[in-house]
Amino acid sequence: AQTVTQSQPEMSVQEAETVTLSCTYDTSESDYYLFWYKQPPSRQMILVIRQEAYKQQNATENRFSVNFQKAAKSFSLKISDSQLGDAAMYFCAHITQGGSEKLVFGKGTKLTVNP
Amino acid sequence: DADVTQTPRNRITKTGKRIMLECSQTKGHDRMYWYRQDPGLGLRLIYYSFDVKDINKGEISDGYSVSRQAQAKFSLSLESAIPNQTALYFCATSGPYSNQPQHFGDGTRLSIL
Repeated sequence: AQTVTQSQPEMSVQEAETVTLSCTYDTSESDYYLFWYKQPPSRQMILVIRQEAYKQQNATENRFSVNFQKAAKSFSLKISDSQLGDAAMYFCAHITQGGSEKLVFGKGTKLTVNP
Repeated sequence: DADVTQTPRNRITKTGKRIMLECSQTKGHDRMYWYRQDPGLGLRLIYYSFDVKDINKGEISDGYSVSRQAQAKFSLSLESAIPNQTALYFCATSGPYSNQPQHFGDGTRLSIL
């Protein structure tokens, strides 16, 4: 069964600094996709970034980037130049190509940004 | 207007009541999902539907039922609500491919007393 583990229930960072949120996953499939979603206090679920497993290059979206280590089944999110608006819950999620094609979420990491 | 609309936004009700949460979308997606979010547990899949005639149970379907009235509408029902169904409920939609992200509604916060 697919599982997604976020080992850091809470993290904090100073404004303008860099923070890395950890995520590991378990799957026996070779074709899959990984996502990071952000949930601010407004409770919306917002896509931050996604990664295709077949791509070796790490995905980047402005200040957000990932470190995708396929062999280690690790998918960490790096936020550079942290801003107050980055404060939120962050969820890592995984979906396989074919099969059940259900998105499985981690339990989340609450990020606090200190001014 | 939001692409995925959930109603109501908040609801307080009593144990034993029947409750329906509604979801409609204007994205033209065939795939729709219902999730439940509890503190410290992330989002868990309740039911999902890949087209109007396709309904599937998710991880935690007991105590819930769904109806896919049209491509754009997917409702979640609690036939007899109980307090441990108090949670934040999300509807989501996606395109036909696994690499396409899911698009979420703003959630329904449900409290059962």
